[in-house]
Amino acid sequence: GAVVSQHPSRVICKSGTSVKIECRSLDFQATTMFWYRQFPKQSLMLMATSNEGSKATYEQGVEKDKFLINHASLTLSTLTVTSAHPEDSSFYICSAIPEGGSGELFFGEGSRLTVL
Amino acid sequence: KNQVEQSPQSLIILEGKNCTLQCNYTVSPFSNLRWYKQDTGRGPVSLTIMTFSENTKSNGRYTATLDADTKQSSLHITASQLSDSASYICVVSATLQAGLFFGTGTRLTVIP
Repeated sequence: GAVVSQHPSRVICKSGTSVKIECRSLDFQATTMFWYRQFPKQSLMLMATSNEGSKATYEQGVEKDKFLINHASLTLSTLTVTSAHPEDSSFYICSAIPEGGSGELFFGEGSRLTVL
Repeated sequence: KNQVEQSPQSLIILEGKNCTLQCNYTVSPFSNLRWYKQDTGRGPVSLTIMTFSENTKSNGRYTATLDADTKQSSLHITASQLSDSASYICVVSATLQAGLFFGTGTRLTVIP
């Protein structure tokens, strides 16, 4: 089946620094990718929809200047957490829908961010 | 308002027993409904995807049902195993606006 890869899987950073998380579709092209955040024992919360070649669409309450999303190609979207703070510590997951497919949604394995 | 509600929020069952998880939605116009299994610290993995015309779909010990009239879906797990312990998430897709709506999930724990 289709594979979505995230990197890094775990990252620890100091407060105030920026962290970039990559989401790649390994064997398909995706015009649209999605970014989620998940706190312990809670469900996924959609943060933004990443559109190739255009600006991302952010969900209400998600700061677009804080969470920078770039979708420069049909196989890569990046999420940059800028000036990270401890409250940004979370599990970040991406997903993608293959172009021309059945609408099946494939998730990455997630990236665990810990801000000290 | 487009919403997806799952019940129960959490469930504990004995190994070998069956269980049923519920998903009710108000998403319109409906495109498809998906069930995902998410192990702790991992990304969700697809179990089933159902369109408007499908009533039942099975994937091994997992059987999903869909009633598009009442806007309800269920996920039935047969002969549960310890490895079934996970969160199960219902995701409903809307047509046109291409929106995806997530349920809050059901956390299943299977105990020996």
